[in-house]
Amino acid sequence: NAGVMQNPRHLVRRRGQEARLRCSPMKGHSHVYWYRQLPEEGLKFMVYLQKENIIDESGMPKERFSAEFPKEGPSILRIQQVVRGDSAAYFCASSDGQGRETQYFGPGTRLLVL
Amino acid sequence: SQQGEEDPQALSIQEGENATMNCSYKTSINNLQWYRQNSGRGLVHLILIRSNEREKHSGRLRVTLDTSKKSSSLLITASRAADTASYFCAPQNTGFQKLVFGTGTRLLVSP
Repeated sequence: NAGVMQNPRHLVRRRGQEARLRCSPMKGHSHVYWYRQLPEEGLKFMVYLQKENIIDESGMPKERFSAEFPKEGPSILRIQQVVRGDSAAYFCASSDGQGRETQYFGPGTRLLVL
Repeated sequence: SQQGEEDPQALSIQEGENATMNCSYKTSINNLQWYRQNSGRGLVHLILIRSNEREKHSGRLRVTLDTSKKSSSLLITASRAADTASYFCAPQNTGFQKLVFGTGTRLLVSP
């Protein structure tokens, strides 16, 4: 059973470009969480999605950031018009929603904004 | 959901020694989870302990939970250099919620 997959692992963007980060949850998992980690800090929650629904987006910046988890395909975290402060590691986690609360994390996408 | 606070912030030991790190939280919980993060990597789930459990073991790991003191501890016995990592606790007051991480305990195990 493959774990949580994220791609790309590394992404370099210039200021003003768009960044798209993809997350494929573990097989059978229908809950996806996105977290951001700045250097030397802990992970900060961004958004929690189930298939086709955003459940909790309390950690998402109000502008430029969006997330989706379509019926088919991976979850996407999209950052428009990136700025240098968006440089961070972005982690996705998934859980199965069957009473087991453990979240399984992917390897992360490291975004560098030049 | 709520945040756990890990203590100490950093811990340096020799291989073979035991490492103990603590977690405190503020309100009632349903469960508490411990995760490990190696430098530059994603988080690895170590163990989940429910509010009605007092102690749980997994290999060289031993986790305790004291809900009256709102605290948990993670003990790693016979540590190895490969245990060098940051360790985070994540208390949850209901299932399926976001995890709120503190700054973690940075453990360094020297050969």
